Amino acid sequence: QKEVEQNSGPLSVPEGAIASLNCTYSDRGSQSFFWYRQYSGKSPELIMSIYSNGDKEDGRFTAQLNKASQYVSLLIRDSQPSDSATYLCAVITSYDKVIFGPGTSLSVIP
Amino acid sequence: KAGVTQTPRYLIKTRGQQVTLSCSPISGHRSVSWYQQTPGQGLQFLFEYFSETQRNKGNFPGRFSGRQFSNSRSEMNVSTLELGDSALYLCASSLEIPGQGAADTQYFGPGTRLTVL
Repeated sequence: QKEVEQNSGPLSVPEGAIASLNCTYSDRGSQSFFWYRQYSGKSPELIMSIYSNGDKEDGRFTAQLNKASQYVSLLIRDSQPSDSATYLCAVITSYDKVIFGPGTSLSVIP
Repeated sequence: KAGVTQTPRYLIKTRGQQVTLSCSPISGHRSVSWYQQTPGQGLQFLFEYFSETQRNKGNFPGRFSGRQFSNSRSEMNVSTLELGDSALYLCASSLEIPGQGAADTQYFGPGTRLTVL
């Protein structure tokens, strides 16, 4: 079992729809969780960090964390073509290592 | 505040050569991590430095090495380059080491694109 897993996609959604990206992790003691966006040929850019169970909203983005289910998600409301990118989930494990998931490719269709 | 900078941005080398990449973290950040990113393998952790000490190392051969200086700037070196070393090398900095709450958020530099011929 990989330490951080994501649906590889590609995930396609129409413009204006909600995109839902999922991430699961294996280390139950993990405490810090991050979502990064990476455009083709560019470096990852931090979108959200979340540390507590529940939802955290920032503009069109909402991160959801459920530590009991070892699951973190990212919702993008009113998706725009400019949201088309690869989304990386990162987890800091109980042994203080940053583990990245393989990423989910999102395509927003105009 | 200036972001993470990496030099050079692009590099072309031939097999057998060695290369040194440089990373300057965000001012005040003391932790620097290096990653290799390839289309097939995704983002793979190379090593992490804090206060000039290597704290963690990924599963890469000994040809990959690094160091951190007292001003937190970091370099990584790859010796005896192989074709498979062609990749985007990313440096990320954070205020503190992982596990320190909000201070462990990593910010990435633009990367160095290494091509080995």
